[in-house]
Amino acid sequence: QLQLQESGPGLVKPSETLSLTCTVSGGSISSESYYWGWIRQTPGKGLEWIGSIYYSGSTYYNPSLKTRVTMSVDTSKNQFSLKLYSVTAADTAVYYCARRNKIHGSGDHWGQGTLVTVSS
Amino acid sequence: DIQMTQSPSSLSASVGDRVTITCRASQSISTHLNWYQQKLGKAPKLLIYGASTLQSGVPSRFSGGGSGADFTLTISSLQPEDFATYYCQQSYSIPSTFGQGTRLDTK
Repeated sequence: QLQLQESGPGLVKPSETLSLTCTVSGGSISSESYYWGWIRQTPGKGLEWIGSIYYSGSTYYNPSLKTRVTMSVDTSKNQFSLKLYSVTAADTAVYYCARRNKIHGSGDHWGQGTLVTVSS
Repeated sequence: DIQMTQSPSSLSASVGDRVTITCRASQSISTHLNWYQQKLGKAPKLLIYGASTLQSGVPSRFSGGGSGADFTLTISSLQPEDFATYYCQQSYSIPSTFGQGTRLDTK
């Protein structure tokens, strides 16, 4: 049974960097059939796709966040990570990691989500 | 970005009802359309991908249709566990975008 689990600080100060890690268990992050992605959800903007990464390290970012986002993958640990720089209160959200089918682009497994609040 | 618009935004129905939710894309997305169900405090759950293919383990009362820019999600006979919020998502182009959601509650 594939499981994804987000981890990282729940509180980040404005202008600092939000860092989250997603640990994948029950399956390999090195599968050629999937991307691994981050999605966030706020009451105001709903669900927003942040970006995806392939096990090779290829990345695809939402253009609206591209200048502030970096994703990385560590196949030895079966983990992938998100860094969002220069955060503001608008980045307060529930952040989800998910596995995305390479052909259909659908997210078939999601982590439980983690609330990140940006506040001083 | 491709805009996804769902209707209605909210819907009240009863157990046993047939319910249809519509999703419209701002341009043609072929059949690159996925549907999710989300319950309060939980992650979205994939129901349908490729506009009409049922994800493994999803009950057959759920069905999806459409192509181009107009899509539907139908629940043939509502069950108590189906009261939730439903989202469509286009995976045709980057960035992938979601509809604003349709909240389905009990009448």
